[in-house]
Amino acid sequence: NAGVTQTPKFRVLKTGQSMTLLCAQDMNHEYMYWYRQDPGMGLRLIHYSVGEGTTAKGEVPDGYNVSRLKKQNFLLGLESAAPSQTSVYFCASSYSRVGETQYFGPGTRLLVL
Amino acid sequence: LAKTTQPISMDSYEGQEVNITCSHNNIATNDYITWYQQFPSQGPRFIIQGYKTKVTNEVASLFIPADRKSSTLSLPRVSLSDTAVYYCLATDKLIFGTGTRLQVFP
Repeated sequence: NAGVTQTPKFRVLKTGQSMTLLCAQDMNHEYMYWYRQDPGMGLRLIHYSVGEGTTAKGEVPDGYNVSRLKKQNFLLGLESAAPSQTSVYFCASSYSRVGETQYFGPGTRLLVL
Repeated sequence: LAKTTQPISMDSYEGQEVNITCSHNNIATNDYITWYQQFPSQGPRFIIQGYKTKVTNEVASLFIPADRKSSTLSLPRVSLSDTAVYYCLATDKLIFGTGTRLQVFP
């Protein structure tokens, strides 16, 4: 099992460009999450999904959109990137939310110039 | 929202026991407390989880008192490889604090 994988590992964008980050999990988990982590900070929840076709906002959703068309994939989109979105993005998944362990991917480093 | 508070950093030496306390005054009835470990350039990794009293696994112990307003992660006999950032999380709220940066010295 690969667990949780993220694509790409690193990306540089110019202000105003768009991109999509892909998260994939092979553990048949229902719940998936996108977090961002700024230098020296903890993780902040952007969006999450409780199942295929569903999404919900987290703590810092502005400037991001997500989609969960397939159970194993969770996409994070930036429509018009801003320097403030320079961060490391982590995806995670869990079987359910309450009381369940989250499994994290290796992260995507995004630099917006 | 239930927010957790931890010390920003702690130092220890190899072989010592390290206790990291997390304060979570507004924890909800259905919240579990989960601790994660994060190394540089990696995603967080699950260490231990509990609801109340004491839980022990092969790497750590977690003590949660009856009022559940705090929890203590105990790492027995730390080694250099335990140098990392440790986060406590009230599970239902999905809110990570800034974590505790543990530095283990030889």
